[in-house]
Amino acid sequence: AQSVSQHNHHVILSEAASLELGCNYSYGGTVNLFWYVQYPGQHLQLLLKYFSGDPLVKGIKGFEAEFIKSKFSFNLRKPSVQWSDTAEYFCAARAYTGGFKTIFGAGTRLFVKA
Amino acid sequence: DVKVTQSSRYLVKRTGEKVFLECVQDMDHENMFWYRQDPGLGLRLIYFSYDVKMKEKGDIPEGYSVSREKKERFSLILESASTNQTSMYLCASSLGDRAENSPLHFGNGTRLTVT
Repeated sequence: AQSVSQHNHHVILSEAASLELGCNYSYGGTVNLFWYVQYPGQHLQLLLKYFSGDPLVKGIKGFEAEFIKSKFSFNLRKPSVQWSDTAEYFCAARAYTGGFKTIFGAGTRLFVKA
Repeated sequence: DVKVTQSSRYLVKRTGEKVFLECVQDMDHENMFWYRQDPGLGLRLIYFSYDVKMKEKGDIPEGYSVSREKKERFSLILESASTNQTSMYLCASSLGDRAENSPLHFGNGTRLTVT
């Protein structure tokens, strides 16, 4: 069955620290990959997405993610986090299982200390 | 900009009540989804629909049903609410299969408490 796993449930960083959030998916076919972010009190919004081409994708607010097919991974990175990056981050995979169902990971809560 | 509107932000219902959660999107999206969000579990798919009157079970459909009579509206129904259905419910929509990389657009969520 298709699944997405995120390595960390809670991450605490100081401002200017580098961030890497791990994400692995289990699906052998063609898959689209996404990172969504949910800021406190706000709705989920798209951070970045990968569907083909360059495996290094850039998103909003300085985030990027690298698709490594051989490792079934799609890790999220940011070289220098800010206090405003405090949020919950969700990795998601979408594959055709009758309607392009999107499966989410459990989420990673990031807290950035000012 | 895509707008996904959920009719209620907060709901409190009693055990055994029938509950309707409504969702409307204004961008002519083919696909619509209902998720529930629980701490430590992320988002779990309850049901989705890829066309009017079409519905597919997600990963946790038990205790829920859905209705899609019009393209823009997707309703989630709890036939007999139970306390373990206390959760945040999220509706989302996306373009159809011709845009398979289309991301999900989410509503603000409905926090349902069943007492």
